[in-house]
Amino acid sequence: DAKTTQPNSMESNEEEPVHLPCNHSTISGTDYIHWYRQLPSQGPEYVIHGLTSNVNNRMASLAIAEDRKSSTLILHRATLRDAAVYYCILRDNSGGGADGLTFGKGTHLIIQP
Amino acid sequence: KAGVTQTPRYLIKTRGQQVTLSCSPISGHRSVSWYQQTPGQGLQFLFEYFSETQRNKGNFPGRFSGRQFSNSRSEMNVSTLELGDSALYLCASSLGAGKTGELFFGEGSRLTVL
Repeated sequence: DAKTTQPNSMESNEEEPVHLPCNHSTISGTDYIHWYRQLPSQGPEYVIHGLTSNVNNRMASLAIAEDRKSSTLILHRATLRDAAVYYCILRDNSGGGADGLTFGKGTHLIIQP
Repeated sequence: KAGVTQTPRYLIKTRGQQVTLSCSPISGHRSVSWYQQTPGQGLQFLFEYFSETQRNKGNFPGRFSGRQFSNSRSEMNVSTLELGDSALYLCASSLGAGKTGELFFGEGSRLTVL
């Protein structure tokens, strides 16, 4: 799977929007952009994914650059419960269903009250 | 709907022993994948099973093995334990049909090797 680059950590205030960037300059046409997050002492949980168009769900929004070389996860109104490590992952949807996520270091999001 | 269940949650072993960890996926999910998480290496993919067949494997030594049963439950085994095998072992389940689907993770089994 292609590689992603994320800042090691980010800090934000409660009830403010948070923009988590991810660079993936070697993304291929069949790579989907997935975001997972891991809260303290828990397994990772799915946040959102997309291919080309911006995506919204109840947890977050995903903004994908036109050239697809970068994307941004947007938490519209951060709460203390959003403090977690956020992982941006590329998943190649070609070549069958064999799966396995390649995690990078992720971004440690700190929320200040 | 019950989530992914991993047992045991915590265990302590000594070097040279072996360990078996169990994962029960969400009902209807046919894919189970395993991951090792350590402070130094982060989350690393071990292997993935679908319909009792290993479809994908990460870069781990042969001491790490797994299997999947006909009811989709999976086990992983680590033989001849080393201190460096101390880690949180996570399993995830999914429908397994393509790579756009969501993976659901369990809370993990924390292994300490003394």
